[in-house]
Amino acid sequence: QQQVKQSPQSLIVQKGGISIINCAYENTAFDYFPWYQQFPGKGPALLIAIRPDVSEKKEGRFTISFNKSAKQFSLHIMDSQPGDSATYFCAATSGNTGKLIFGQGTTLQVKP
Amino acid sequence: GAVVSQHPSWVICKSGTSVKIECRSLDFQATTMFWYRQFPKQSLMLMATSNEGSKATYEQGVEKDKFLINHASLTLSTLTVTSAHPEDSSFYICSASLIRANTQYFGPGTRLTVL
Repeated sequence: QQQVKQSPQSLIVQKGGISIINCAYENTAFDYFPWYQQFPGKGPALLIAIRPDVSEKKEGRFTISFNKSAKQFSLHIMDSQPGDSATYFCAATSGNTGKLIFGQGTTLQVKP
Repeated sequence: GAVVSQHPSWVICKSGTSVKIECRSLDFQATTMFWYRQFPKQSLMLMATSNEGSKATYEQGVEKDKFLINHASLTLSTLTVTSAHPEDSSFYICSASLIRANTQYFGPGTRLTVL
């Protein structure tokens, strides 16, 4: 029930295309859903986050879509660029513990 | 804002020695800091949660006597890997959360290699 399932494991997109990464969760107590971007040898960096009272949040080229009834959320990267090539992690947490439950990660490669 | 630093960024040590890793929140006060371990091409594994002035809470399966955590102030937490062995070689990452917030900000990580 604490798991967050992320797919796909890897993704190859052409420059200018849309990258879509999906996550699903079981625990309805989760109330905060961040996405992190990690480059090799670096720590994860917060990209964008959403709370369940909102169905969509957009920041620049990055959009989170949230479906509370399906317990799913996804990250959309518009106009993907080679510099977006990284590993992306979705996560979920609840205010009670503050612990982040991470998805398995998606390695994105954007081809020029 | 919300910058977290780690020191050192990489360390190589001999088997049996102890290594200390520092995690600092540079521009904010963090009531809670987290320590993670990450193996190549894998997700982050939470090792422990540390609150300022309190004992750390370790995740199941993490040896608290081997991974000593001290959270002495609102801006500093340390992880000491005691009697390190080659299997402790990994990428250790800390994070810090703002007071009364869910958001965690991560440090750049520390690569530990035990020979």
